[in-house]
Amino acid sequence: AQTVTQSQPEMSVQEAETVTLSCTYDTSESNYYLFWYKQPPSRQMILVIRQEAYKQQNATENRFSVNFQKAAKSFSLKISDSQLGDTAMYFCAFLERNRDDKIIFGKGTRLHILP
Amino acid sequence: DAGVIQSPRHEVTEMGQEVTLRCKPISGHDYLFWYRQTMMRGLELLIYFNNNVPIDDSGMPEDRFSAKMPNASFSTLKIQPSEPRDSAVYFCASTSWAGGPSGANVLTFGAGSRLTVL
Repeated sequence: AQTVTQSQPEMSVQEAETVTLSCTYDTSESNYYLFWYKQPPSRQMILVIRQEAYKQQNATENRFSVNFQKAAKSFSLKISDSQLGDTAMYFCAFLERNRDDKIIFGKGTRLHILP
Repeated sequence: DAGVIQSPRHEVTEMGQEVTLRCKPISGHDYLFWYRQTMMRGLELLIYFNNNVPIDDSGMPEDRFSAKMPNASFSTLKIQPSEPRDSAVYFCASTSWAGGPSGANVLTFGAGSRLTVL
């Protein structure tokens, strides 16, 4: 079965610092997609960034970027110049299109940005 | 588009009562997912539909839970009878997976329904 593991339950960094959230996954397939979702205190789930496994180039969205290591099955999220509004729960998620169409989520990392 | 709409936002009920959660997906989306979020278990997929047909309900915890999608614009998740351990936030999400290698579109979530069973 597909699994997604986030090994850091909670992290805290100072505002303006760079922080990296870890995610590993398990699959035997080669065609899949990876996502990072953010859940602020408002509870709304917001897509931060996504990566197609067949693309070698790491995805970036403004201050958010990923380090996708396919062989290691690792998909970390880097937040540069962190802001107070980045305080949230971050979920790594995985989708295998050839197998089924459901997204599996990790248990999340709670990130605190300190002023 | 108003996004995925869930109701109620909050529900407090007593053990043994029936609970019905509702979801209106984004128009044109052909996939609908129900997730449950708790501190202990994180985000669990309960069931998902494609074109109103349940595809995988292996995450539904027990027979007390049931879900329906009578048409493309409405789905319900029902718990009968409810128990305190059902207390959680229930999310509905929808998307339209396009075909081909880049067919993973964004999964859009509703605001969630917070259920408290006393």
